[in-house]
Amino acid sequence: GNSVTQMEGPVTLSEEAFLTINCTYTATGYPSLFWYVQYPGEGLQLLLKATKADDKGSNKGFEATYRKETTSFHLEKGSVQVSDSAVYFCALSETGANNLFFGTGTRLTVIP
Amino acid sequence: EAQVTQNPRYLITVTGKKLTVTCSQNMNHEYMSWYRQDPGLGLRQIYYSMNVEVTDKGDVPEGYKVSRKEKRNFPLILESPSPNQTSLYFCASSTDRAYEQYFGPGTRLTVT
Repeated sequence: GNSVTQMEGPVTLSEEAFLTINCTYTATGYPSLFWYVQYPGEGLQLLLKATKADDKGSNKGFEATYRKETTSFHLEKGSVQVSDSAVYFCALSETGANNLFFGTGTRLTVIP
Repeated sequence: EAQVTQNPRYLITVTGKKLTVTCSQNMNHEYMSWYRQDPGLGLRQIYYSMNVEVTDKGDVPEGYKVSRKEKRNFPLILESPSPNQTSLYFCASSTDRAYEQYFGPGTRLTVT
């Protein structure tokens, strides 16, 4: 079956620190992979995506590379800001599937 | 502005009292979905709809009903709410099934 395993949080970093949030997946086929972000009091927003192996998704300084050999899609950012404080969800969707499979979410807090 | 709206945003009710959470999108999306978010479990899909009058169960449909009489609206109905349905609920829509979904702001439901 399909599943997503995410690094447990919470994660607390100082401003300008390097961020990595680990995500690995299990899928029966060739899924598309996503990172969604949830800011306090809001719904989820798509942060970035990758649809095939070796694709790199990027947005707002965040990056993630679809690694089929390690079934991973780790989220990285070189220098975090206070405004990046949020909950980050890794998710996958199989071709033709009717839903997204989400990880449990990782709460990031960035302190000045 | 493209958006998904949900109402109410917060609801406290008692066991057994029927309630409806409304969801509306203004993007002419065919696909709509309901999720619940619980600590440590991430988001789980309750029901989805591929188009008007076409709905189907997600991963956790027990205790919920939906309808899709118009393309823009997808209400979630709890006929007899129970305390284990206390959760944060999100409606989402997209042009194509699970791909790149747009989420509403969430409805926090408490059943006592």
